Amino acid sequence: EAGVAQSPRYKIIEKRQSVAFWCNPISGHATLYWYQQILGQGPKLLIQFQNNGVVDDSQLPKDRFSAERLKGVDSTLKIQPAKLEDSAVYLCASSLGQGRTGNTEAFFGQGTRLTVV
Amino acid sequence: AQSVTQLGSHVSVSEGALVLLRCNYSSSVPPYLFWYVQYPNQGLQLLLKYTSAATLVKGINGFEAEFKKSETSFHLTKPSAHMSDAAEYFCAVTFAGAGGTSYGKLTFGQGTILTVHP
Repeated sequence: EAGVAQSPRYKIIEKRQSVAFWCNPISGHATLYWYQQILGQGPKLLIQFQNNGVVDDSQLPKDRFSAERLKGVDSTLKIQPAKLEDSAVYLCASSLGQGRTGNTEAFFGQGTRLTVV
Repeated sequence: AQSVTQLGSHVSVSEGALVLLRCNYSSSVPPYLFWYVQYPNQGLQLLLKYTSAATLVKGINGFEAEFKKSETSFHLTKPSAHMSDAAEYFCAVTFAGAGGTSYGKLTFGQGTILTVHP
């Protein structure tokens, strides 16, 4: 079974530039998450999709971050314009997400390491 | 609101020694608890999870954790450390949400870096 695929693995941009990350979840997984992991911290949820609908985006800085999952499969996370404090690893995860249960295991991709200079 | 506290950002043990990584949680509803491991430049891999069944949970690579409701703890242990266990470990909590809230969302602790000395 293929895992969660993310690209690119690494990205270096200058502040005020824009950047996009791509995620392809495990086939059949209805739920997709984007997490931000700043160095020395645990991952923090940015946005959660159930199929192509947003379940939770309460911690997404909507003035600069946007995400979509148009066909309920792969997803794109965009930052525009980037700030220095956006330097982090962006992790995508997916889970089956069947029903109202919190015990569905989330599978993580390898992440995209973003450096903003 | 949920939160997770991992006591000790760095833990160092000798190869063959007991590994104990501490995690305490706060949740207003019964939690589901997880331990993940992260190797350098890799994503997170699930070690084990507690989902309201047996309180002693066994995971991969010889790790286990015990859910103690009275102590709000979910500490991770391994009887004998191996060099390959060196990594960062994250404790996380979620819950079966009601009323359309975001179930499945994980709240992570800050992580504990485990170093294993020969």
